[in-house]
Amino acid sequence: DAGVIQSPRHEVTEMGQEVTLRCKPISGHDYLFWYRQTMMRGLELLIYFNNNVPIDDSGMPEDRFSAKMPNASFSTLKIQPSEPRDSAVYFCASRGINEKLFFGSGTQLSVL
Amino acid sequence: SQQGEEDPQALSIQEGENATMNCSYKTSINNLQWYRQNSGRGLVHLILIRSNEREKHSGRLRVTLDTSKKSSSLLITASRAADTASYFCATDTSGNTPLVFGKGTRLSVIA
Repeated sequence: DAGVIQSPRHEVTEMGQEVTLRCKPISGHDYLFWYRQTMMRGLELLIYFNNNVPIDDSGMPEDRFSAKMPNASFSTLKIQPSEPRDSAVYFCASRGINEKLFFGSGTQLSVL
Repeated sequence: SQQGEEDPQALSIQEGENATMNCSYKTSINNLQWYRQNSGRGLVHLILIRSNEREKHSGRLRVTLDTSKKSSSLLITASRAADTASYFCATDTSGNTPLVFGKGTRLSVIA
C-alpha cells in the first residue's frame, strides 16, 4: 500500500481564491481525519469521518471551510474564500482497527 | 484544544546520549500514543500504551505511563543523528474518539 496520499504537496494562492485539498486514505481504513498544523496552535483536528460519514466538524474554523468524503477512497477539504490566516500545513490521516493513525505528507498552504 | 503537553519544548543532546521527553495530559484516557515528525513530513506512529499498562518497549524506545499523575515519558536510548525530529504525544478518551495532540518536543541529536 502506498500509504495516505495527499495532493497538492504545496499550494500558493491569493486571498479570496478557492482552495481544494485532496486525500486518499489507506484502503480498508474506516476513519479519516483532517488536521491543521501551525507553529502557534500545533496540530488541530478539523473534522473526522467514520465510514464516509462526518462525525465531528466542531474543529472547522468557520463556514469558509468544508469537507466531503464521497467514497471510502477519497476526501476533500475546501476553503472558500481563503484568507492569509489559513496558511498552515494540512494533514490527512486514516485509521483502521488498531487505533494507530497513518498520516499523509501534508499540503503546505500559503495564502498571500 | 491540546490535551497533551510535552516537556521540554526543545532538547539538544550528543549522539549516544539518552533523550527523555515528558507528556502531561488533563483527562482520563483510553490510550496514549507517541509520534515522530521529521521536518517537512507527516507524523509517524512510534508506540501505543494503554491506560492499564505502565511500561512498554520497542527497540530503543521505552515509554512509561503514570495515570495517577496523568503523565507519560518517552525515552530514546543511545540516540543517533537520525533521531533528530519532533516528538508528539497524543491521547484519546475512548477507542472511537479522535486523538488530540500536544505541541511536541523538538529533539536535536548532534553527531
